[in-house]
Amino acid sequence: DAGITQSPRHKVTETGTPVTLRCHQTENHRYMYWYRQDPGHGLRLIHYSYGVKDTDKGEVSDGYSVSRSKTEDFLLTLESATSSQTSVYFCAISEHTEAFFGQGTRLTVV
Amino acid sequence: QKEVEQNSGPLSVPEGAIASLNCTYSDRGSQSFFWYRQYSGKSPELIMFIYSNGDKEDGRFTAQLNKASQYVSLLIRDSQPSDSATYLCAVNDSRDKIIFGKGTRLHILP
Repeated sequence: DAGITQSPRHKVTETGTPVTLRCHQTENHRYMYWYRQDPGHGLRLIHYSYGVKDTDKGEVSDGYSVSRSKTEDFLLTLESATSSQTSVYFCAISEHTEAFFGQGTRLTVV
Repeated sequence: QKEVEQNSGPLSVPEGAIASLNCTYSDRGSQSFFWYRQYSGKSPELIMFIYSNGDKEDGRFTAQLNKASQYVSLLIRDSQPSDSATYLCAVNDSRDKIIFGKGTRLHILP
């Protein structure tokens, strides 16, 4: 398996609180992605990064921010969590070709 | 909005038969095309990638690409019950974003 670690794996949080999910890679890949997966919607891109401090929005970026201060870490922050952000979040890495996925984080906002 | 379209299924195929999965994409600048398999509760895993027009075979799997028609397909020969999963088509677009379709659920009938 590609060296990708997501943390935490499970989290329950309250509406209105900030939440940060972490993705850590040991593959030195340039590209990193955050997706959310919901029934009926497939994998939707939230944000992605094409280098340290270089990020761009995906199709469902509202309410989310990201940071990448080191090649190996890509953080996803929910600025003020809402129930609609209850989902499974996947991090992926790529080096111009196929993407490899982390194990996912199941986030529940109550 | 760049899109990747798949039939959501479920697609039911008898064991031993050929399963045919289809995908269309909207960004003509796309260069790389992928098929992922995802079991329930697990991360997506790459099973095939294709970059050039034509067919690419790997064991029981064949990926087909037609850039003029913006069409990608996956054939699974001699389908097995273990092939029952959701199959995700993905496209690396002209800005190196990897965009996924919603996935097709495949059910192999014993």
